[in-house]
Amino acid sequence: QSVLTQPPSVSGAPGQRVNISCTGSSSNIGAGYDVHWYQQYPGTAPKLLIFGNYNRPSGVPDRFSGSKSDTSASLAITGLQAEDEADYYCQSHDRSLSGSVFGGGTKLTVL
Amino acid sequence: QVQLQESGPGLVEPSQTLSLTCAVSGGSISSGGYYWSWVRQHPGEGLEWIGYIYYRGSTYYNPSLKSRVTISLDTSANQFSLKLSSVTAADTAVYYCARVTYGVPWFDPWGQGTLVTVSS
Repeated sequence: QSVLTQPPSVSGAPGQRVNISCTGSSSNIGAGYDVHWYQQYPGTAPKLLIFGNYNRPSGVPDRFSGSKSDTSASLAITGLQAEDEADYYCQSHDRSLSGSVFGGGTKLTVL
Repeated sequence: QVQLQESGPGLVEPSQTLSLTCAVSGGSISSGGYYWSWVRQHPGEGLEWIGYIYYRGSTYYNPSLKSRVTISLDTSANQFSLKLSSVTAADTAVYYCARVTYGVPWFDPWGQGTLVTVSS
């Protein structure tokens, strides 16, 4: 069981918007630690998608956005495209573990 | 740009020690500002942080693995290593190395990953 909780799956039609939630606790997100998001295609390494709650690395489309509030965070993807079909993971720091924690991952299906 | 590449045996026998190396190119592991980390992913499952090492040698491990894990640096070869002792089938996973930004730890970039199977 992951320290950060994500829905196992979400889906949406091309062009629609989806949100992926990431719920933590007072030991991680609620303690003020930043949340980061990764995109992973089958058989490949994760790729940084959002860092510092809402910042996009160079090359990441602005269709991807992140937010954080209290003990949770959210990744929004607008204008869904077929290429967005992948697994998405949130990650933060946990002060009880003195290390990084990941969400269990969310599989996005583009209908 | 920095690139990471894992290497090591793809098959390890139960009770033995898993040993992997991550070669870093395009940057020095001795420069400040980063941790060097290992993450694993069991087949069909999510990501699990194993631990990181700072360039000065301080280490941080996942408490669930701490008794079996050692991460070390080889600055002369610009690489870092993972050793996981007393492995069982539950340690079968894809192992990734990654650079982690100090202070606000996010993982970027990642190596391509290497599958390690624990089996006799």
